[in-house]
Amino acid sequence: DGGITQSPKYLFRKEGQNVTLSCEQNLNHDAMYWYRQDPGQGLRLIYYSQIVNDFQKGDIAEGYSVSREKKESFPLTVTSAQKNPTAFYLCASSTWDRGNGYTFGSGTRLTVV
Amino acid sequence: AQSVAQPEDQVNVAEGNPLTVKCTYSVSGNPYLFWYVQYPNRGLQFLLKYITGDNLVKGSYGFEAEFNKSQTSFHLKKPSALVSDSALYFCAVRDLANNAGNMLTFGGGTRLMVKP
Repeated sequence: DGGITQSPKYLFRKEGQNVTLSCEQNLNHDAMYWYRQDPGQGLRLIYYSQIVNDFQKGDIAEGYSVSREKKESFPLTVTSAQKNPTAFYLCASSTWDRGNGYTFGSGTRLTVV
Repeated sequence: AQSVAQPEDQVNVAEGNPLTVKCTYSVSGNPYLFWYVQYPNRGLQFLLKYITGDNLVKGSYGFEAEFNKSQTSFHLKKPSALVSDSALYFCAVRDLANNAGNMLTFGGGTRLMVKP
């Protein structure tokens, strides 16, 4: 079955470390997105990519970086510059068909220890 | 610019009663509208969408939503709530007049609590 996979499900980061969250999709979707969600809150857009080798900053890109070297993959790196990284991170993908919504992964919960 | 508002942070309803989760939107052109549900520690799951046609849209798990162009609303409804419907609900909009890609704009979410 086609889908979007995020790994790991839980991730612990020490102060000053960079960590990378994986997002892989086999839906042949062109666009991919990263969102941050704090407890009980809505979604905030970190980065998005509409085609391979191109990506754009979202509303809260500071302290994060991404790459889009393959259509299927859109990893997110949380750098040490992100001062408050503890949150739930969601990856999503979509086609160019405007009648379709996003397909979401199951999320990665990142905790700073 | 496209925007969407969910005016209620939380909606409380008794099991078996009808429920409504409100959503209003603002777009320049015609909207495509979506509802998603999120259970704890999970991603968002698609419930239903309005693209064109009948203003009453039926979706998963017995949910439906009514598109009202004059009131710029797309409220989510269910005739009889279940305790298992308790979750976080998100409304989203895509403005067809927006040529800046395929982005959805999400509302802030509404927590639905169904009590036995």
